Amino acid sequence: EIVMTQSPATLSLSPGERATLSCRASQSVGTTLAWYQQKPGQAPRLLIYATSTRATGVPARFSGSASGTEFTLTISSLQSEDFAVYYCQQYNNWPLTFGGGTKVEIE
Amino acid sequence: QVTLRESGPALVKPTQTLTLTCSFSGFSLNTSGVCVSWIRQPPGKALEWLALIDWEEETEYSTFLRTRLTISKDTSKNQVVLTMTDMDPVDTATYYCARIFDSAAFDFWGRGTLVTVSS
Repeated sequence: EIVMTQSPATLSLSPGERATLSCRASQSVGTTLAWYQQKPGQAPRLLIYATSTRATGVPARFSGSASGTEFTLTISSLQSEDFAVYYCQQYNNWPLTFGGGTKVEIE
Repeated sequence: QVTLRESGPALVKPTQTLTLTCSFSGFSLNTSGVCVSWIRQPPGKALEWLALIDWEEETEYSTFLRTRLTISKDTSKNQVVLTMTDMDPVDTATYYCARIFDSAAFDFWGRGTLVTVSS
């Protein structure tokens, strides 16, 4: 099973700051990596798929990139609605696996 | 408009079998490339993928839970059913169903249903 490791577990930032979230896969997943945003009491929402493609309606301040098995989600300038938990997920191999999540909280 | 909705018991007893139904609209599970999956999330914890069924009725399961899970579909009713046997308190979680299209990520999710396992 491919293990997805996210870091940091918590990111404390202020509105307007840049957020950089990391996700490392235990083996190659190619570009089949997605990012989700989850707010309290809500279902996850797809933000990014295929490593860097924004889902419909996702603002341009969200971007994804990769270097080998290291994936990054960047939020260029945090808005109040961006404080949430973010999960990465690989869909290259069975079983599908999620990372443990990064909570982006207001500092 | 794609929607998914989970339904099932809110409370089950240990050792019982859980049956959850995902009712969906706005797409067909007969369409090539369409899959429906179940994912769960214990309170305060991360997401965990459980099972998937595709348009050809092919199925995939979590490595650790495969002996307890069965996923099936009723295309005429636009439903996907998940059964999980031998429920335990550690299975207490919100259970979500979600769609995959064209081998991509989970693009649409249901709101989830909280299942508590307790005697």
